[in-house]
Amino acid sequence: GPKVLQIPSHQIIDMGQMVTLNCDPVSNHLYFYWYKQILGQQMEFLVNFYNGKVMEKSKLFKDQFSVERPDGSYFTLKIQPTALEDSAVYFCASSLGTGAAETLYFGSGTRLTVL
Amino acid sequence: QQKVQQSPESLIVPEGGMASLNCTFSDRNSQYFWWYRQHSGEGPKALMSIFSNGDKKEGRFTAHLNKASLHVSLHIKDSQPSDSALYFCAVTLNYNQGKLIFGQGTKLSIKP
Repeated sequence: GPKVLQIPSHQIIDMGQMVTLNCDPVSNHLYFYWYKQILGQQMEFLVNFYNGKVMEKSKLFKDQFSVERPDGSYFTLKIQPTALEDSAVYFCASSLGTGAAETLYFGSGTRLTVL
Repeated sequence: QQKVQQSPESLIVPEGGMASLNCTFSDRNSQYFWWYRQHSGEGPKALMSIFSNGDKKEGRFTAHLNKASLHVSLHIKDSQPSDSALYFCAVTLNYNQGKLIFGQGTKLSIKP
């Protein structure tokens, strides 16, 4: 089936540093998402993105977070500066459309550890 | 704020048995309901969706929705070892959003 690739699978950085998480969405998909999962808790919506713009973001999407997809390359989540509470698994997803009936395809996640 | 709660937290079912997973949601405006499955080391993968009250069957999987009771369930017939995974219930509020609110998951183990 359609695959979403996330690079890297695991990243360890020091608090205060910048980190960029990369996502290669399904090739013909138009809508992109980031979700955050802290160990043992449910996945929580961070942001969705379409046509170069953030459509909606949650309260978890702090000012230190930004997303972009320059020229159809990777869809990225940048955190600058990082904080200890940013340690989590970040899942990227993509979908063809944005209706509630659209299937979201998820990557395998990037485990971010902030020391 | 929509709350999605799943039960049980974990479940062990013998191979060939029936697994039943439950999910309650808090917002009566919820429109669309999904079940996702996540195998270890992988991302969640959509299993099936339901938006009308009643049952929806896809192979060995049956989803049941009762909006009045704020409840959706997933039943897996003839469980196989490959069904061992983390199962998430996810809910969306309206027809124009791809934003999913997830439950905390049920860990299903199928015992050979």
